Amino acid sequence: GESVGLHLPTLSVQEGDNSIINCAYSNSASDYFIWYKQESGKGPQFIIDIRSNMDKRQGQRVTVLLNKTVKHLSLQIAATQPGDSAVYFCAENSKAGTALIFGKGTTLSVSS
Amino acid sequence: NAGVMQNPRHLVRRRGQEARLRCSPMKGHSHVYWYRQLPEEGLKFMVYLQKENIIDESGMPKERFSAEFPKEGPSILRIQQVVRGDSAAYFCASSPRRDRSYEQYFGPGTRLTVT
Repeated sequence: GESVGLHLPTLSVQEGDNSIINCAYSNSASDYFIWYKQESGKGPQFIIDIRSNMDKRQGQRVTVLLNKTVKHLSLQIAATQPGDSAVYFCAENSKAGTALIFGKGTTLSVSS
Repeated sequence: NAGVMQNPRHLVRRRGQEARLRCSPMKGHSHVYWYRQLPEEGLKFMVYLQKENIIDESGMPKERFSAEFPKEGPSILRIQQVVRGDSAAYFCASSPRRDRSYEQYFGPGTRLTVT
């Protein structure tokens, strides 16, 4: 079916390390891919998105990579900080005017 | 600069009661999406509404659940005769335009507990 999943449910890193969170998707027709951060007791917060005609996009301390050949999406966080500890979800938007399809999430734990 | 607002933040209902969840989109947004999140899981789409219209309700359970987005006032997700399986976090998101559905801003959610 059409779904977005993540490779690892948890990821533990030391403060200052770079983090890489991965996601595999199955709908090759999706137009946009989005990463969200969800802290405990809060709603998802937009981090960065990438359109299907791109393979890389950079933000502040974050980079999203899209590999359409293997249907893989990743989020790289540079110099991870304790405040980055949260659950990270990838989501896809198959076409305009439709809902987002979310994966199950990766819990990132950053120790100082 | 108010974001998406949801109330109540926490709601406790006994089995068989009704639950009403409210969502006010961001200013200038007329598209609202409702999602449900079970513990340890991702968000699942329920319904997509525009002012006075239901655009897509393919994720809504066939019975007991309904949603509306009136011309004036917040969007309402209504669950009748709640059961324990309805316990979850319910999030709404708003978007400025239909063709920017990838751009969704989420509220803080309503955590429904059915006892």
